[in-house]
Amino acid sequence: EIVLTQSPATLSLSPGERATLSCRASQSVNIYLIWYQQKPGQAPRRLIYDASNRATGVPARFSGSGSGTDFTLTISSLEPEDFAVYYCQQRSNWPLTFGGGTKVEIK
Amino acid sequence: EVQLLESGGTLVQPGGSLRLSCAASGFTFSSYGMTWVRQAPGKGLEWVSAIRVGDDSTHYAESAKGRFTVSRDNSKNTLFLQMNRLRAEDTAVYYCAKSAVAAPGDYWHFDLWGRGTLVTVSS
Repeated sequence: EIVLTQSPATLSLSPGERATLSCRASQSVNIYLIWYQQKPGQAPRRLIYDASNRATGVPARFSGSGSGTDFTLTISSLEPEDFAVYYCQQRSNWPLTFGGGTKVEIK
Repeated sequence: EVQLLESGGTLVQPGGSLRLSCAASGFTFSSYGMTWVRQAPGKGLEWVSAIRVGDDSTHYAESAKGRFTVSRDNSKNTLFLQMNRLRAEDTAVYYCAKSAVAAPGDYWHFDLWGRGTLVTVSS
């Protein structure tokens, strides 16, 4: 099973700041890495698929990069609605797996 | 409206069984792989099971193998998860989700999620 390790667990930032979230895989997942955002009481929302492709309707301040085992989600300038938990997921191998999540909280 | 609606979650005793349903609408259900993902209270997301289009082949997390069975009824646009021999650690909100790209091919990322149904396993 591919283990995805997200860091940091919590990121405390102010609106307008840049957020950089990391997801590291225990073995290569090629580019098959997806990022989701989840707000309290809501289902996850897909943001980025296959490492760097923004999903329809996702603002341009969200970007993804990486390949192999190291991936990054960057939010260029945090808006109030971006404070949430972010998960990565790999689709390279069965079983599919999620990372443990990074909570982006208001400082 | 494009949506998924889960149902069937309830309180069940350890060792019991439960069948979850996920009703799909607004898209061609038979063209998309489907999945179940769960989230224990206050915890992260855990993938549970997936079912392909066409041959209906299935995949399971280790925690679900031998106890859970995923199936689909394309005539009723419905996804199911039969859960047997339930344990306390199965307590979670169960989400169904739709693959983002229609078959053929495997594109196991998910662009449409239901609101979830809560399963509580407790005596």
